[in-house]
Amino acid sequence: DAGVIQSPRHEVTEMGQEVTLRCKPISGHDYLFWYRQTMMRGLELLIYFNNNVPIDDSGMPEDRFSAKMPNASFSTLKIQPSEPRDSAVYFCASAHGGAALWNEQFFGPGTRLTVL
Amino acid sequence: AQSVSQHNHHVILSEAASLELGCNYSYGGTVNLFWYVQYPGQHLQLLLKYFSGDPLVKGIKGFEAEFIKSKFSFNLRKPSVQWSDTAEYFCAVTRPNTDKLIFGTGTRLQVFP
Repeated sequence: DAGVIQSPRHEVTEMGQEVTLRCKPISGHDYLFWYRQTMMRGLELLIYFNNNVPIDDSGMPEDRFSAKMPNASFSTLKIQPSEPRDSAVYFCASAHGGAALWNEQFFGPGTRLTVL
Repeated sequence: AQSVSQHNHHVILSEAASLELGCNYSYGGTVNLFWYVQYPGQHLQLLLKYFSGDPLVKGIKGFEAEFIKSKFSFNLRKPSVQWSDTAEYFCAVTRPNTDKLIFGTGTRLQVFP
């Protein structure tokens, strides 16, 4: 299995531009999570999906952030418009079953976003 | 208040020293507990987990953690660290009745030869 795949690995953009991050979860996993990692705030859960449906988006910072999961093998996290404070590493993770069942969340390599 | 607390932000050790990283959580009820590790330039990997049963959990690479319910703690230990253990370590807890994994802020461990 290729594991969780994220693209791009690095993204540098200018303030005001739209940014789209992509994630392919492990096949068969029914949970998908988006996290943001910064020095100041550590690792924060932004949103998670179960069977392609968003379950909890309370961690999404503001309306500039949106996430979709059109099918079981693909999810996007979009920032529009981007701001310098959005600079961070964004991780996608997937898991099988709910918290009472899954052994672990499997993390992707992350996308390092820099907004100038 | 921070829901998952890791008291040590940065730990520096020499090889062969013993390690203990603290983790406390503030949720009542049943929780699942995890330690993840992030080696430099790599993604997070699971070190060990506790769901139920023996509160002393053995993980990979010689790590172990002890769940002490009365103290709401899940400290990570290793009797003798190696240079290759240099990494950032995250404690994580699932909140009761949700599937959300809440991470602590992490502890950066540096091991010098």
